[in-house]
Amino acid sequence: ETGVTQTPRHLVMGMTNKKSLKCEQHLGHNAMYWYKQSAKKPLELMFVYSLEERVENNSVPSRFSPECPNSSHLFLHLHTLQPEDSALYLCASSQDWTETQYFGPGTRLLVL
Amino acid sequence: DAKTTQPPSMDCAEGRAANLPCNHSTISGNEYVYWYRQIHSQGPQYIIHGLKNNETNEMASLIITEDRKSSTLILPHATLRDTAVYYCIVTNNAGNMLTFGGGTRLMVKP
Repeated sequence: ETGVTQTPRHLVMGMTNKKSLKCEQHLGHNAMYWYKQSAKKPLELMFVYSLEERVENNSVPSRFSPECPNSSHLFLHLHTLQPEDSALYLCASSQDWTETQYFGPGTRLLVL
Repeated sequence: DAKTTQPPSMDCAEGRAANLPCNHSTISGNEYVYWYRQIHSQGPQYIIHGLKNNETNEMASLIITEDRKSSTLILPHATLRDTAVYYCIVTNNAGNMLTFGGGTRLMVKP
């Protein structure tokens, strides 16, 4: 599935750094999602955007800040992360927020 | 959303059919059964979904029992590239909140 792309694919950052993850979907979808997958744990939904409005925030710490400037792009801004935030961060999109979700390849994040 | 129960792991010989079971005994009438798979360190890949009727696409078949309390994903001719973790998810599509459990780790062997 090449409809959802994520950059970078790998990222190493220090706890004082600020970085951003980018997701882009080429499917004409109106809803986008961020998930976190830690080692040996199930995927956890972080944020949901529908028509560029945030509709769900699953009690995510404020050091994760999402941004959805348009229906094709979704960012996750990271600042002052902790080592336990190291994980695979996955983006997904769907036609609307009741339809099937399609995932990107993920960004593997390591916080030192 | 209803919870699902899947065996943690299964083996399948290459070229044979892989039948992956899922129990969802608390499923409600408006909830769909979705299947995704995740190959190591990649994003989950959508496979198939259904409500009541059996479904088939180019990847797999989904068989849902008449009482809807369980389902089986069938990969008709498993290949080595089908080795992955397979997730069975039940959702009512309201907000399409996918809750991923532990899944079944399918190992396809030569």
